[in-house]
Amino acid sequence: DAGITQSPRHKVTETGTPVTLRCHQTENHRYMYWYRQDPGHGLRLIHYSYGVKDTDKGEVSDGYSVSRSKTEDFLLTLESATSSQTSVYFCATSSIQGAGELFFGEGSRLTVL
Amino acid sequence: GENVEQHPSTLSVQEGDSAVIKCTYSDSASNYFPWYKQELGKRPQLIIDIRSNVGEKKDQRIAVTLNKTAKHFSLHITETQPEDSAVYFCAAENDYKLSFGAGTTVTVRA
Repeated sequence: DAGITQSPRHKVTETGTPVTLRCHQTENHRYMYWYRQDPGHGLRLIHYSYGVKDTDKGEVSDGYSVSRSKTEDFLLTLESATSSQTSVYFCATSSIQGAGELFFGEGSRLTVL
Repeated sequence: GENVEQHPSTLSVQEGDSAVIKCTYSDSASNYFPWYKQELGKRPQLIIDIRSNVGEKKDQRIAVTLNKTAKHFSLHITETQPEDSAVYFCAAENDYKLSFGAGTTVTVRA
């Protein structure tokens, strides 16, 4: 497995609180992604990054923001968590944009009560 | 954006039989179609992919076929084994991003 770690792996929080998930990679991959996985929906792209300080929105970006200050770290922030954001979040990296293998982290399970 | 539909959502097969999963996509500009396997509690991992200039690709017991005219592609697993039990996701690349299907849960019965 590529060196991709996510933290925290599990988190329970209350509606309205801010939450930050961290993705750390040791592969020096340029491209990083945040997906959420929900039953019946597969993996949906939240935000992605194509370089340090370069980010863009995916298909389900409302309520989420991201930051990438270093190649190895990609942060996903929920400014004010809602119950609809209860999900499993996966970070992924790739060395090729789009048409290349994605390497996924272990996932972070977030429950918003 | 790209819309990927995947069928069936669940598939149960007898060990040794074949399994077929089908996906359709909406954007004719898509050129890259990977398949990911996710075992229970694990991360998704790439098992095979195909590009638009190829009609079929095989890797041991798995194969993928692509029909660009009809905008559909399929995963074939032959001689299924218990370790093939997992969730399989198809995806299509569009505008440098992957759009995933909803997934197929494959169960191989002993």
